[in-house]
Amino acid sequence: KAGVTQTPRYLIKTRGQQVTLSCSPISGHRSVSWYQQTPGQGLQFLFEYFSETQRNKGNFPGRFSGRQFSNSRSEMNVSTLELGDSALYLCASSLGSEHNSPLHFGNGTRLTVT
Amino acid sequence: AQSVTQLDSHVSVSEGTPVLLRCNYSSSYSPSLFWYVQHPNKGLQLLLKYTSAATLVKGINGFEAEFKKSETSFHLTKPSAHMSDAAEYFCVVSSRYNFNKFYFGSGTKLNVKP
Repeated sequence: KAGVTQTPRYLIKTRGQQVTLSCSPISGHRSVSWYQQTPGQGLQFLFEYFSETQRNKGNFPGRFSGRQFSNSRSEMNVSTLELGDSALYLCASSLGSEHNSPLHFGNGTRLTVT
Repeated sequence: AQSVTQLDSHVSVSEGTPVLLRCNYSSSYSPSLFWYVQHPNKGLQLLLKYTSAATLVKGINGFEAEFKKSETSFHLTKPSAHMSDAAEYFCVVSSRYNFNKFYFGSGTKLNVKP
């Protein structure tokens, strides 16, 4: 089975721009979660989608948004980029409907905002 | 309420010596517990999971963890460290009744000296 695929691996953007990150989950997984990882704040939960609906949300401003498509693929969008948005963005998929179903992570997208 | 505390932010061992990474959890309901490893600029890889079966859980790469309900602990161990084990390790908890929410520890960076 193919793992979780995130594209692109690296992105460099300028303050004020917007960016879209993509995540393809493991086949059969209906839940996709997004995390932001920085040296200062560690791993922070952004949101989770299950069957095209946002099921859980972390404490991030509205500039961060996401969506999930009918094939479970997910995108995350960040508008009006700030320097502090520079981070490794991780996507994780799981079955999402069973106890004990772990998260499976992609290798992330490294976003640098200049 | 659920939470995870990783008791050491950094652990340093010599190659060939045992590894102990400590994790305490708090969970209102039957917990599922996971350990993940992250190498630099990579995603998190699942090492092992506890799902209320055997209390001693064996994972990949020689790692294992013991669930101790009375101590609310789930420490990760390995008998003999390899240089390739140098990475950051995360302890994660979810619960039977809230299985789509995952709570991460702050991570332990393992350094392996030659």
